Amino acid sequence: QKEVEQDPGPLSVPEGAIVSLNCTYSNSAFQYFMWYRQYSRKGPELLMYTYSSGNKEDGRFTAQVDKSSKYISLFIRDSQPSDSATYLCAMSASGGSYIPTFGRGTSLIVHP
Amino acid sequence: GAGVSQSPRYKVAKRGQDVALRCDPISGHVSLFWYQQALGQGPEFLTYFQNEAQLDKSGLPSDRFFAERPEGSVSTLKIQRTQQEDSAVYLCASRGTTRGEQFFGPGTRLTVL
Repeated sequence: QKEVEQDPGPLSVPEGAIVSLNCTYSNSAFQYFMWYRQYSRKGPELLMYTYSSGNKEDGRFTAQVDKSSKYISLFIRDSQPSDSATYLCAMSASGGSYIPTFGRGTSLIVHP
Repeated sequence: GAGVSQSPRYKVAKRGQDVALRCDPISGHVSLFWYQQALGQGPEFLTYFQNEAQLDKSGLPSDRFFAERPEGSVSTLKIQRTQQEDSAVYLCASRGTTRGEQFFGPGTRLTVL
């Protein structure tokens, strides 16, 4: 079992839908949680960064962390075709080098 | 520059050739990371620098892989005697003072024939 599990999808939704993307993890030492968006043949782009538990909102994006369940989520409201990409979750522990462990990514397709 | 840059963007090598991949991090970023990303997978950690010091190279898959950052800015990942299994996208990321928050370059797509 990998430290970070993420369903690869693809997840196909109509434009305007609310999208929910999720990751589970096994390492209770993880304290920093990130979501990246990666378009085809591009590098990952940081979307959301959260420390410890709770919610964080930025425009149409909301990140949630539930450390008790070892479960994190990214919600996208009013999804657009331009949101079609692979979404990677990543997380790291405190101390040391804060080297993140990535999920394998979920492919999202938003169709008009 | 405004972001992390990598060169070349694409590299085709014959099996057995040596390759060198370059990363220019965001100016002032102390930390630099290299990752390998296979098709359909997330980035896998290779090595980490803080300034010119290579603090962690636990992810390098074999002694054919070597990385350096001699002046604490530009970094080079070198792969000797390339094999077909080395075909992947090699990503570089840099980090400023915010723990855990990394910024990625566009990657170098290496194809070994």
